[in-house]
Amino acid sequence: KAGVTQTPRYLIKTRGQQVTLSCSPISGHRSVSWYQQTPGQGLQFLFEYFSETQRNKGNFPGRFSGRQFSNSRSEMNVSTLELGDSALYLCASSPGDRFGGETQYFGPGTRLLVL
Amino acid sequence: GENVEQHPSTLSVQEGDSAVIKCTYSDSASNYFPWYKQELGKGPQLIIDIRSNVGEKKDQRIAVTLNKTAKHFSLHITETQPEDSAVYFCAASIVDTGFQKLVFGTGTRLLVSP
Repeated sequence: KAGVTQTPRYLIKTRGQQVTLSCSPISGHRSVSWYQQTPGQGLQFLFEYFSETQRNKGNFPGRFSGRQFSNSRSEMNVSTLELGDSALYLCASSPGDRFGGETQYFGPGTRLLVL
Repeated sequence: GENVEQHPSTLSVQEGDSAVIKCTYSDSASNYFPWYKQELGKGPQLIIDIRSNVGEKKDQRIAVTLNKTAKHFSLHITETQPEDSAVYFCAASIVDTGFQKLVFGTGTRLLVSP
């Protein structure tokens, strides 16, 4: 099976702009989780989508949002970019079982630089 | 809130030595503990995981142990090789609003010198 893919791989934006990142999960996986990775804060959970619904959310401001399509592909959007949003954004897919203790498989990430 | 502590932050060993990374979690309801390896420019890759009904799991040179009473779990790498050099993350699965999410440790940079 093909792994998790993310596009674009690199992105440069300026403060105040908005950005949309895309994630395609492993075929058959219905859950997509997003994480922000920075040197100072490590891997921080943003949100999780399952069957087009957000079912879990981390402690990030409302500028961070996401959605999931019927084919399980997911996008996340960051509006009004700030310098501190510069990070590696990772998505991870899993089958979506509720109580399974699920294995999450990560994509290569999108590196966002905000100038 | 939920928290996972990971130590050490950096670890340097000679090729052939063993390496041990330790993590502590706070939520006693955690039931799934994966370990990920992240190489430069790549996303984290699952290397081994353990569930709360098991005390130890081994896969070739890699083993993980879990002490539920103490809320500790550890990664053991034997006969280290230069290609083991990477950042390793532990994680614990936390049940939040009825659904699970992973909480990660802060990472351990492992350097294996030839």
